[in-house]
Amino acid sequence: NAGVTQTPKFQVLKTGQSMTLQCAQDMNHNSMYWYRQDPGMGLRLIYYSASEGTTDKGEVPNGYNVSRLNKREFSLRLESAAPSQTSVYFCASSEVGQGNGELFFGEGSRLTVL
Amino acid sequence: GENVEQHPSTLSVQEGDSAVIKCTYSDSASNYFPWYKQELGKRPQLIIDIRSNVGEKKDQRIAVTLNKTAKHFSLHITETQPEDSAVYFCAATPAGTALIFGKGTTLSVSS
Repeated sequence: NAGVTQTPKFQVLKTGQSMTLQCAQDMNHNSMYWYRQDPGMGLRLIYYSASEGTTDKGEVPNGYNVSRLNKREFSLRLESAAPSQTSVYFCASSEVGQGNGELFFGEGSRLTVL
Repeated sequence: GENVEQHPSTLSVQEGDSAVIKCTYSDSASNYFPWYKQELGKRPQLIIDIRSNVGEKKDQRIAVTLNKTAKHFSLHITETQPEDSAVYFCAATPAGTALIFGKGTTLSVSS
């Protein structure tokens, strides 16, 4: 099992460009999450999906959109990238909803916005 | 919304010493409190967790304590080893949203 797979691992964008981060899990988990990690700020929740067909905002949703494509896949889209969105993005999944059980993280995607 | 405060932000200990990291949370409805370890350049991984109906949980050299009345919980690492050096995150699951993390503690264990 691959666990949680994120693509791409690295991306450089110019201000105003758009892009989509892809995430897929093969553990048959119901819930999926997107977090961003910045130095000194910990992991901040952007969006989560408690189950297929539902999505909810987290702590820092502005500037992002998400799609729960099916039970396996949860994508994060930046419509018009800004330098403030330079960060490491982690996708995660869990069997139990809303993070009430172990989160399994992907390897992370490092995004730089110039 | 939930606010999780974590202290200290950095912690340096000698090998063999104990390390304690403390967290407070604001939402009294929070009922699940995990701790994650993140080694440099790696993904966070769960090391121990505790639920609100339990006051303490141990797993070998790691223990977590929870005081629901005071809304704080702590991670205790005994007999620290160089491989314990990492960033540690506490977290809480409040009502109506997903896991909220503290800002992390960088633990350095010197031999």
